[in-house]
Order: sequence, then structure tokens, then C-alpha cells
Amino acid sequence: GDSVTQMEGPVTLSEEAFLTINCTYTATGYPSLFWYVQYPGEGLQLLLKATKADDKGSNKGFEATYRKETTSFHLEKGSVQVSDSAVYFCALRGSNFGNEKLTFGTGTRLTIIP
Amino acid sequence: KAGVTQTPRYLIKTRGQQVTLSCSPISGHRSVSWYQQTPGQGLQFLFEYFSETQRNKGNFPGRFSGRQFSNSRSEMNVSTLELGDSALYLCASSVDLRGYEQYFGPGTRLTVT
Repeated sequence: GDSVTQMEGPVTLSEEAFLTINCTYTATGYPSLFWYVQYPGEGLQLLLKATKADDKGSNKGFEATYRKETTSFHLEKGSVQVSDSAVYFCALRGSNFGNEKLTFGTGTRLTIIP
Repeated sequence: KAGVTQTPRYLIKTRGQQVTLSCSPISGHRSVSWYQQTPGQGLQFLFEYFSETQRNKGNFPGRFSGRQFSNSRSEMNVSTLELGDSALYLCASSVDLRGYEQYFGPGTRLTVT
């Protein structure tokens, strides 16, 4: 079945540092890929998405590129802020009939220190 | 547009009881999914409904059930509650199925004692 492997956390960075959170996937067909963020006590918020190979999703300074050849969707940000502290989830949505559910990675807790 | 709403936000139940959680999707969204989030198991898919039909189901026992109404609102029910059912239950809605992003509600925090 579909699966998502995500960089284990927790990750602690200083403000203005460069961020990379690795994500790789296994899926049949052509899934759509997503990054979600969860702040303490809240539900998940969609951060960015990509629906086909070589698409780049971007939002709030975060970027991720859908790499079919390496089955990856790594999240990057050039300069993190304290407000970026949260748990980040990589996810894929299947494209085959009857398998359209979201499959999540285990989440990466990110803490940014001033 | 209003976001996904879930009621109640917090719930405390006793083992053996049953519970019903409610989810109202974003207006115009026809697909509703449910997920269970626990520290040990992470985010696990429960089921997805589209136009009142269950389209996908995760690996949960039959004590977990759901339904969707004609206005796309959804409910999930858990019967004979166990301690291990304590979790954050998240509902998500999307316009349609394949390829479309899902938007999540704030969740219902269920505690079973």
C-alpha cells in the first residue's frame, strides 16, 4: 500500500537558519503530495501541495518540489522564524479509484529558538 | 467561507459507552474524511464519504462507523468505548476525491476513562 517516510524529529534550529525536512513516498499511480502543519492544540492546516511531477508548491516562504525520479517531496525554508515552531506532516493522496485517502508521515516536530 | 467545524470539541466518556461526533464540511465540499490522531500511532485514516457513500475505509474495528447526510454533514460513531480509543478525532473535507486537498477541522478530543 501507499506509505510516506518522513525525517524523524525533533528538529531544533536557531532563528533565520535554513530548514529542510525530508519526505519520501511509495505509491502506485500518480499521487498528489501535501505538507500540513499542526500548531499546538489545533487541527492540521494545509501548507502547500503539488499534484504532478516537477510541480513546486510554495506558501509562507516554504517550498517543496514533487520529484518522481527520487519519490521525494522535501520541505525547505530559507530563513525560519520562531512562529514556524510546529509539527509538520508530509502526506500523499492516492490517485487510484477507491484509494483516494490521505496517507501521512509520522510528523516532524520543529522548534525554532530565538 | 466558514471552515470545517466539529462538535463537540472535548468529550469525556467511560469504557463501554458509545459516542457520536459531528462534522460540518466547508460549503460546497462533498467529500468528508475522518482520522484518528494519537501520540503512539500518529494520524490514521478511519473512513471517507462522498455523496453519502463510504468510499474508503481504514483498518479499524467495526465499532467505528460513520455516515454522511445529503447536506454533506457527517457523523462518526464509536460503540463500546475502550481506553485505547482516547484520541484526537479529526474531520477533513474536500471538494472532490482524487488530487484535491483536504481541509481539516480543529478536532474532537475524546478521553475514555
